[in-house]
Amino acid sequence: EVQLVESGGGLVQPGGSLRLSCAASGFTFTNYWMTWVRQAPGKGLEWVANIKQDGSEKFYVDSVKGRFSVSRDNAKNSLFLQMNGLRGADTAIYYCARARKYCPAGNCYHDYWGQGTLVTVSS
Amino acid sequence: QSVLTQPPSVSGAPGQRVTISCTGSSSNIGADYEVHWYQQLPGTAPKLVIYGNNFRPSGVPDRFSGSKSGTSASLAIAGLQAEDEADYYCQSYDISLSGSYVFGTGTKVTVL
Repeated sequence: EVQLVESGGGLVQPGGSLRLSCAASGFTFTNYWMTWVRQAPGKGLEWVANIKQDGSEKFYVDSVKGRFSVSRDNAKNSLFLQMNGLRGADTAIYYCARARKYCPAGNCYHDYWGQGTLVTVSS
Repeated sequence: QSVLTQPPSVSGAPGQRVTISCTGSSSNIGADYEVHWYQQLPGTAPKLVIYGNNFRPSGVPDRFSGSKSGTSASLAIAGLQAEDEADYYCQSYDISLSGSYVFGTGTKVTVL
């Protein structure tokens, strides 16, 4: 059974940092692009970043470029999102998701999602 | 502000058919990028219900169907059931946003 379990969320002050983790199991992690998606309270979904199977390609939404960094540890079947310079607008539930197809071509979709971890940026 | 526009809400009685539109432009759906659809039940993670414009993942009832034409796409739910009450989001890719995956604004489906 495919499982994705996020952790690392919490309350952080504006300008602070947080590192999210996503533990994957039930599939061959190294075969898939992976994605982070977020959802602000009461709002819609927003794609944040995705990363190639070997970590050599990474893409970000403009609003997080230079502040967030996606990475993965294939030996531990884990995906990460390092978030620096956090702002109130970053307050959201962060989901990790497994991506299908070749993401840079623009046609990837997400067939499994974790339950999400809540990040709250507030003083 | 999403580049994919959906109606905020649609509703129907049990057994009826409802349709949700996803309107884009020449830089996303109209540029021949695929559209995918997700269902989000209250308090849960999104679940894929349609991929590649009109394909259903295993386990999704055939009451769900997708279509795409020009700069728009649609999700139809036939034989509406109480368990279909949820938020639905379309997803595609936009070449004008430094190459970015985009989600629709979301539609709340209410079963009357």
